[in-house]
Amino acid sequence: LAKTTQPISMDSYEGQEVNITCSHNNIATNDYITWYQQFPSQGPRFIIQGYKTKVTNEVASLFIPADRKSSTLSLPRVSLSDTAVYYCLVGGPHLYNFNKFYFGSGTKLNVKP
Amino acid sequence: DAGVTQSPTHLIKTRGQHVTLRCSPISGHKSVSWYQQVLGQGPQFIFQYYEKEERGRGNFPDRFSARQFPNYSSELNVNALLLGDSALYLCASSFERLNTEAFFGQGTRLTVV
Repeated sequence: LAKTTQPISMDSYEGQEVNITCSHNNIATNDYITWYQQFPSQGPRFIIQGYKTKVTNEVASLFIPADRKSSTLSLPRVSLSDTAVYYCLVGGPHLYNFNKFYFGSGTKLNVKP
Repeated sequence: DAGVTQSPTHLIKTRGQHVTLRCSPISGHKSVSWYQQVLGQGPQFIFQYYEKEERGRGNFPDRFSARQFPNYSSELNVNALLLGDSALYLCASSFERLNTEAFFGQGTRLTVV
């Protein structure tokens, strides 16, 4: 199983762009990269998922280099409500994984006014 | 539309007791997974069920068991509770077994005293 490494915490200010990088050196060919957001005492919430290159949705962008050994979650113009823990996961929808995900310790993002 | 619902929201049990946690997936979702989240850590995968069969199991002792019913709801059972079982128990559902996006419930906060 591919292990992920993320910074333990990051600080930012409202209105800034935040980039959180995740390292996954032994990612498998069939693995996807998925990011979840979690607020205290709530379940994680899906943010974005990708396999390679760049993926963008209404809340974030995900950049994946050609070797797929790392990925960067980009949050544009963060607000105080983006203060949360962000998890990078590797794995997902292939035959023998049956969609079970392995979470690391996550990155605690603290957005300041 | 209702999201993933879990019951109860909070629970206090004594060491050695048994507990049953319940999860109702999003309507139409056939896959249910269970996770344990200890304070300050990321969620740890316990089980995944799809079409009423166990499809994956994490590194948890046999005291942990689960099942999925014909309506796709699920129960997580934990026997002989230990203090270390105190955690937030999360249920996640997805449409298909290979679906990449999992929707999490709010969790059940279990405290073992």
